[in-house]
Amino acid sequence: QKEVEQDPGPLSVPEGAIVSLNCTYSNSAFQYFMWYRQYSRKGPELLMYTYSSGNKEDGRFTAQVDKSSKYISLFIRDSQPSDSATYLCAMSAVNSGYSTLTFGKGTMLLVSP
Amino acid sequence: NAGVMQNPRHLVRRRGQEARLRCSPMKGHSHVYWYRQLPEEGLKFMVYLQKENIIDESGMPKERFSAEFPKEGPSILRIQQVVRGDSAAYFCASSQAETGAAFFGQGTRLTVV
Repeated sequence: QKEVEQDPGPLSVPEGAIVSLNCTYSNSAFQYFMWYRQYSRKGPELLMYTYSSGNKEDGRFTAQVDKSSKYISLFIRDSQPSDSATYLCAMSAVNSGYSTLTFGKGTMLLVSP
Repeated sequence: NAGVMQNPRHLVRRRGQEARLRCSPMKGHSHVYWYRQLPEEGLKFMVYLQKENIIDESGMPKERFSAEFPKEGPSILRIQQVVRGDSAAYFCASSQAETGAAFFGQGTRLTVV
């Protein structure tokens, strides 16, 4: 079982739709959870950063973490064509005072006008 | 405030040559991470460095790969005697704290011919 599982998609939605992106994980030591957006041939751009369980909202984006189910989600409201990209979930545990990221493979999102 | 700067953006090397990839972290960041992204695969952690110290190199191949982050100047990822399998996008990230959010550069795309 991979440490982080993420459906590769593509996920195609019309403009204005609510998008739900998800990851599951197996390592209960993960405490920090992130979502990155990556456009083609660009570097990952940090969208959301959360610690432990709960919700966090930033503009059109909402991140949810359910540690009991080992499941994290990213919701995008009022999706725009400019949201078309690959979305990567990432997480880390703190070992010996530092953390490094374990990534999902990414979900490709296509938002059509 | 400049983000994480990587250069070169594209690098072509013949088999057996050396590749040097450079990374300047964001201002005020003293933690540097290198990741590799292969086609159809997610980002994989390679090495974590602080100034003049390698903290964790568990994801870096034992042979031909080395990394440094000197007191002055950028972090360097060095690949000796490159092979075709080294062709990938190499990303550098930096963070302000050990458990802080990591911000990525635009990557260096290495092609070995």
